[in-house]
Amino acid sequence: QKEVEQDPGPLSVPEGAIVSLNCTYSNSAFQYFMWYRQYSRKGPELLMYTYSSGNKEDGRFTAQVDKSSKYISLFIRDSQPSDSATYLCAMSRGSNYKLTFGKGTLLTVNP
Amino acid sequence: NAGVTQTPKFRVLKTGQSMTLLCAQDMNHEYMYWYRQDPGMGLRLIHYSVGEGTTAKGEVPDGYNVSRLKKQNFLLGLESAAPSQTSVYFCASSYSAFPKTSGEFNTDTQYFGPGTRLTVL
Repeated sequence: QKEVEQDPGPLSVPEGAIVSLNCTYSNSAFQYFMWYRQYSRKGPELLMYTYSSGNKEDGRFTAQVDKSSKYISLFIRDSQPSDSATYLCAMSRGSNYKLTFGKGTLLTVNP
Repeated sequence: NAGVTQTPKFRVLKTGQSMTLLCAQDMNHEYMYWYRQDPGMGLRLIHYSVGEGTTAKGEVPDGYNVSRLKKQNFLLGLESAAPSQTSVYFCASSYSAFPKTSGEFNTDTQYFGPGTRLTVL
């Protein structure tokens, strides 16, 4: 079983839709959970991070972590064409500097 | 403030040739990383450095060497390129690895460069 599983998609939604992106993981030692956004032919950029379980909201984006289920989610409300990108989840034990990445989900928001 | 820069942006090599990828950061970050990104494989850590003069192996280090002679630069070398090394290479840096306060990741996130697309024929 891979440490981090992420559905690669692709996911195509109409503008204004609510998007749900998810990752599951197997290592219960992960404490820090991140979502990176990567536009085509660009480097990943940090979008959201969460420590332990709970929710975190930033504008149209909400990150959720359920450590009991080893499941994390990223919700995008009122999705825009500019949200079209690959979204990567990443996790860390916190006691070291290594991030474990999911493979990424390709999202397309159609105008 | 340029952040993390990588040179070159593109390169085509023949099998057996050597080359060096340069990563530079102007954020005074202690930690630097080299990743490769392949379709269906995600980002995989090749080597990393926790400070000037130090390097360590990541998940997929074979066929690569690195050096961190200056704090702001992290070099990735391919001594004898192979087609399996065709990939997009990303450098990243972070100020530190550990949270500054309990339960908070603070600003110690990894910042990525724009990538180098390498093709080995």
